[in-house]
Amino acid sequence: AQSVTQLGSHVSVSEGALVLLRCNYSSSVPPYLFWYVQYPNQGLQLLLKYTTGATLVKGINGFEAEFKKSETSFHLTKPSAHMSDAAEYFCAVSDNFGNEKLTFGTGTRLTIIP
Amino acid sequence: NAGVTQTPKFRVLKTGQSMTLLCAQDMNHEYMYWYRQDPGMGLRLIHYSVGEGTTAKGEVPDGYNVSRLKKQNFLLGLESAAPSQTSVYFCASSDPGLPTLSSYNEQFFGPGTRLTVL
Repeated sequence: AQSVTQLGSHVSVSEGALVLLRCNYSSSVPPYLFWYVQYPNQGLQLLLKYTTGATLVKGINGFEAEFKKSETSFHLTKPSAHMSDAAEYFCAVSDNFGNEKLTFGTGTRLTIIP
Repeated sequence: NAGVTQTPKFRVLKTGQSMTLLCAQDMNHEYMYWYRQDPGMGLRLIHYSVGEGTTAKGEVPDGYNVSRLKKQNFLLGLESAAPSQTSVYFCASSDPGLPTLSSYNEQFFGPGTRLTVL
């Protein structure tokens, strides 16, 4: 069975500071990994994903994540936080058996301090 | 191109009442999913479908039924609502496609339905 652990249900950073949201996964097969963002009262939007190939993945809005197999991690980073980044972020893992079911972490709410 | 739409956006039910949530997608996707989102628990998969006429159970299927009679629609039913089913429900769709597609393995989400059961 797959699982995802997001460390820190709430993270606060100052505007312009580095954003680091942590995600560790457990999977018995090579995983597909995702980060989704949810703005207030909206659905989820894909930020970035790792399936195969390059382990450093770039996404929208300046975010990137690095797949580290040895650490079973897929942490999300952004060099400089912007007020518009305030949202809830979800890490998710999918097996590659073809049905594309996602297992989500519990989410991290990011607050940006002006 | 509306993407994934959900009807209704809000609903309040009394315990024991029934209702159906409708999800529609116009992207011709094969796969569709129903999730529920509860505070501190992330999203949990209720049921999913990998094609018209097929459905399968997810992580938390009890108390829910689904149907996929048409490729573009995925219905979620609550036969006898309980307060524990108070949640925000999200529908999503995806297409297996080819690994070379940018949308490969990406799920597209609807705006959600906020359901309260009293």
